[in-house]
Amino acid sequence: DTGVSQDPRHKITKRGQNVTFRCDPISEHNRLYWYRQTLGQGPEFLTYFQNEAQLEKSRLLSDRFSAERPKGSFSTLEIQRTEQGDSAMYLCASSDGQIYGYTFGSGTRLTVV
Amino acid sequence: GESVGLHLPTLSVQEGDNSIINCAYSNSASDYFIWYKQESGKGPQFIIDIRSNMDKRQGQRVTVLLNKTVKHLSLQIAATQPGDSAVYFCAENDYKLSFGAGTTVTVRA
Repeated sequence: DTGVSQDPRHKITKRGQNVTFRCDPISEHNRLYWYRQTLGQGPEFLTYFQNEAQLEKSRLLSDRFSAERPKGSFSTLEIQRTEQGDSAMYLCASSDGQIYGYTFGSGTRLTVV
Repeated sequence: GESVGLHLPTLSVQEGDNSIINCAYSNSASDYFIWYKQESGKGPQFIIDIRSNMDKRQGQRVTVLLNKTVKHLSLQIAATQPGDSAVYFCAENDYKLSFGAGTTVTVRA
């Protein structure tokens, strides 16, 4: 296991389309996080899972966003009816509960045209 | 809400010199801070952390200083190398991370 994997790395979509991103965390990590990062800004927290339970959702996560972690392993983040303002880097991170184990993936860059 | 932030958006440094990157935070109850490095096209990478019961912590070529009186953090990089060119973020950790806007460090040859 070489780290947190995210797929795809880049996604270009037309406004109004739905997109889904996948995150594969480090296998022994029970915590999984999604963050969003816009150009020139630090990452912003979106949501957090412990095993399969979604424990917190940010106000940034509108009704068009949904995240799942069905078996407590990989996670998906879906954005419905994409808007240009959704264009950003979507980062996934996983943790074993100890901060040294908090590892980010390389992200999925979404461009909505 | 409470947040962390960085003083300067950019820093240009000569190769071999020391770099100092600053960060101010507003939540006096914060007790755990982390510095991350983010290279282009990659996710943030852990550099070093510090708890509020410490005022200094050293790693390999990096030192973090914490001044709780003025709610200020700094990251010092010794003998800056071209590979240190990146965006640096401080973050407050409370099971989830709260990041500032970042400082872009450019190393001049």
